[in-house]
Amino acid sequence: AQKVTQAQTEISVVEKEDVTLDCVYETRDTTYYLFWYKQPPSGELVFLIRRNSFDEQNEISGRYSWNFQKSTSSFNFTITASQVVDSAVYFCALNRGDTGRRALTFGSGTRLQVQP
Amino acid sequence: DTAVSQTPKYLVTQMGNDKSIKCEQNLGHDTMYWYKQDSKKFLKIMFSYNNKELIINETVPNRFSPKSPDKAHLNLHINSLELGDSAVYFCASSSLAGHQWGQFFGPGTRLTVL
Repeated sequence: AQKVTQAQTEISVVEKEDVTLDCVYETRDTTYYLFWYKQPPSGELVFLIRRNSFDEQNEISGRYSWNFQKSTSSFNFTITASQVVDSAVYFCALNRGDTGRRALTFGSGTRLQVQP
Repeated sequence: DTAVSQTPKYLVTQMGNDKSIKCEQNLGHDTMYWYKQDSKKFLKIMFSYNNKELIINETVPNRFSPKSPDKAHLNLHINSLELGDSAVYFCASSSLAGHQWGQFFGPGTRLTVL
């Protein structure tokens, strides 16, 4: 069985602070994919990143960066110099196998509030 | 152009009614999904269709019935609505094409059962 744990229920920071959202996953598959989605107050789910299990390189996209470590089964997400617009619920998710046809297993989400 | 669209965006109805939610994707994907997000924001898969064939059917009451008339559409019909059905329902689609694949979600349908 697969499981995704986001232990941080809610995080509150002040604008310009850096913040890291933790994600720990469990799977027996050797091939799998990890995702992060953002859900702003407007409610839609916005795709942020996909990472496959064979690629442990960290990724940076603007103020966003992701740290994937298979040794600790973690896929953490860091926002540098946070902004009010980053306020949202962030979900980590896991997709098993080498096919895109399997459903995502989501973590419970971390609500990030960035105060001005 | 909207990639994954759902109608309606909001649905308010009485207990016992039957309602449908429609989903369409114009991404050319071959797999579509329905997810339910409860009041605590927890997201869980309900159904998945690949090329109009049901491939995932989680433990969902029989009152929920998905229908896929073609690869671009996946509708969700709910019979005898109950208070506990109140949630946000998300449609999604995916494909293995290229390096851009991932699951792309519709805007969600907020269902409120009174």
